[in-house]
Amino acid sequence: DVKVTQSSRYLVKRTGEKVFLECVQDMDHENMFWYRQDPGLGLRLIYFSYDVKMKEKGDIPEGYSVSREKKERFSLILESASTNQTSMYLCANRKGGGEDYGYTFGSGTRLTVV
Amino acid sequence: AQTVTQSQPEMSVQEAETVTLSCTYDTSESDYYLFWYKQPPSRQMILVIRQEAYKQQNATENRFSVNFQKAAKSFSLKISDSQLGDAAMYFCAYRRTTSGSRLTFGEGTQLTVNP
Repeated sequence: DVKVTQSSRYLVKRTGEKVFLECVQDMDHENMFWYRQDPGLGLRLIYFSYDVKMKEKGDIPEGYSVSREKKERFSLILESASTNQTSMYLCANRKGGGEDYGYTFGSGTRLTVV
Repeated sequence: AQTVTQSQPEMSVQEAETVTLSCTYDTSESDYYLFWYKQPPSRQMILVIRQEAYKQQNATENRFSVNFQKAAKSFSLKISDSQLGDAAMYFCAYRRTTSGSRLTFGEGTQLTVNP
């Protein structure tokens, strides 16, 4: 089975800090995604990547950036954390192509910005 | 842009009873995928069931089945013989069939199963 591992389950950061959320997959899948989950809003897409060094903005990219230097790792960066970025962050991956190969999700990182 | 709407923030059901979770979506595409995901307290998103829009037949997975009404853009999930382990947040999701398309999620429905 494909595994998607998020480096931290819980994280507490201070306002203004630079925050890195790491996501690593153990398969050679092209597509990787970062979602943010908030009560009443479901999951909203922040950024996604089709392949190494490629990235696309999702629905709510403001305040975030991403990095994908290697195929297995997709990092979400909060350049200057703010309290409104307190949320659950979920990483997911998927094999490329139009067919539905299924998504695999990580277990999430609950980030609190104080 | 595609949107997915779940109008029931919370639902409850008695153990062994049947419950239906609602989902509507908006798209101009004729072919697409629809999904129901389950997220228990462990946070791990689990695929419950998948429907391909070009297939008329409603998908079924054991106690889980869908009522897919393409013209009405409705995709409800029926859970039969509810079990305590079914308690979770349920998300409806949509995806176009084109390569690289991403999942668009609804707001979620929190399901409680009462013993």
